[in-house]
Amino acid sequence: GQNIDQPTEMTATEGAIVQINCTYQTSGFNGLFWYQQHAGEAPTFLSYNVLDGLEEKGRFSSFLSRSKGYSYLLLKELQMKDSASYLCAVMDSNYQLIWGAGTKLIIKP
Amino acid sequence: GAVVSQHPSWVICKSGTSVKIECRSLDFQATTMFWYRQFPKQSLMLMATSNEGSKATYEQGVEKDKFLINHASLTLSTLTVTSAHPEDSSFYICSARDNYGGHTDTQYFGPGTRLTVL
Repeated sequence: GQNIDQPTEMTATEGAIVQINCTYQTSGFNGLFWYQQHAGEAPTFLSYNVLDGLEEKGRFSSFLSRSKGYSYLLLKELQMKDSASYLCAVMDSNYQLIWGAGTKLIIKP
Repeated sequence: GAVVSQHPSWVICKSGTSVKIECRSLDFQATTMFWYRQFPKQSLMLMATSNEGSKATYEQGVEKDKFLINHASLTLSTLTVTSAHPEDSSFYICSARDNYGGHTDTQYFGPGTRLTVL
């Protein structure tokens, strides 16, 4: 079966750095996405990785290792507004997104 | 760029009525749109994949006669919840896939529609 694993909840301090991991087992691979979702709102696109390596975009970076079936989202200089759920999703061979359950990130002052 | 709108944002209806939700891609064309529902504190659940000009593909367990999907143009897909019941109360979110710009196959989400059936 297809499976996406990510931690249920993480806590970090304002101004610090946090890394949210995602491991996956899917039938085929056409890219990995990270989305941010605030409570009661729809997800917003953060990043897309299809090749191994690190993609940096401002305070957020995303890393992918296809051989290990592993990705992480790195958030630097955390702000209170970063408190949200972070969803990892993999596009499989049928070009459908397989979703993780999301990681709830709690930022403390 | 890549903005998706959804209307209405929220709706309250009586049991037995039908509700139509619209999803529009505002600045790009989307041959494929997706409809999701999300229960509180749960992940997104794909309901159906909507392809412009053809019938939607429904996920297992989703009643196609209850959740009618129409994708009549490259920028509009509609979801109609027919004969709604309280158990249909949920957060319905659409997304549109941008095949021609930005990241390949990236899905952009609408703001969602919160449906409450009394």
